[in-house]
Amino acid sequence: GAVVSQHPSWVICKSGTSVKIECRSLDFQATTMFWYRQFPKQSLMLMATSNEGSKATYEQGVEKDKFLINHASLTLSTLTVTSAHPEDSSFYICSAHTSVSSYNEQFFGPGTRLTVL
Amino acid sequence: AQSVAQPEDQVNVAEGNPLTVKCTYSVSGNPYLFWYVQYPNRGLQFLLKYITGDNLVKGSYGFEAEFNKSQTSFHLKKPSALVSDSALYFCAVRPVTGRRALTFGSGTRLQVQP
Repeated sequence: GAVVSQHPSWVICKSGTSVKIECRSLDFQATTMFWYRQFPKQSLMLMATSNEGSKATYEQGVEKDKFLINHASLTLSTLTVTSAHPEDSSFYICSAHTSVSSYNEQFFGPGTRLTVL
Repeated sequence: AQSVAQPEDQVNVAEGNPLTVKCTYSVSGNPYLFWYVQYPNRGLQFLLKYITGDNLVKGSYGFEAEFNKSQTSFHLKKPSALVSDSALYFCAVRPVTGRRALTFGSGTRLQVQP
């Protein structure tokens, strides 16, 4: 089946540093990937839609200069949290959209837990 | 704009008993509806999806969900709960036409007691 990986699975960084999170579709091509953010005991909130070869579309209230998204290939999207602060600590989950499977169309990565000290 | 409501923060059920996790939605046009399960510190695992056709959708691990258009509901059910079903369950919706991003409900924690 379609598999989506995320790296790293967890990261701890100091305030003010930047952190890059990778999202890869391992056995299929994804023209569209989505980045979600999940606070403890809360639902997933869509941050942005990442389209291969074009600029990402950000949801209202999400700072595009702080959360840089690059979708350079059909199997890789990256999210860079720039100048991270403690309030950016969260669980970040990506998903990749595919039409390969008629049953499920969006496959989720295992998530990346970011802790900013 | 679309939205999903999961009215119960937590559902408790005894092992072997049937379970229901409720979900109602609001979307412009026809919906695609999904159920996902999340275990601690893990991503979401797909359970099932309603596209069209039969209102009763069967999914993974013995789960099923019933689409009710008049009540705009998509409740998740299982005839006999297992302790291993204890997890966080999310209902999600997107319109059939339009953008593909999912809108999630707030989640329902299912606790199955042995």
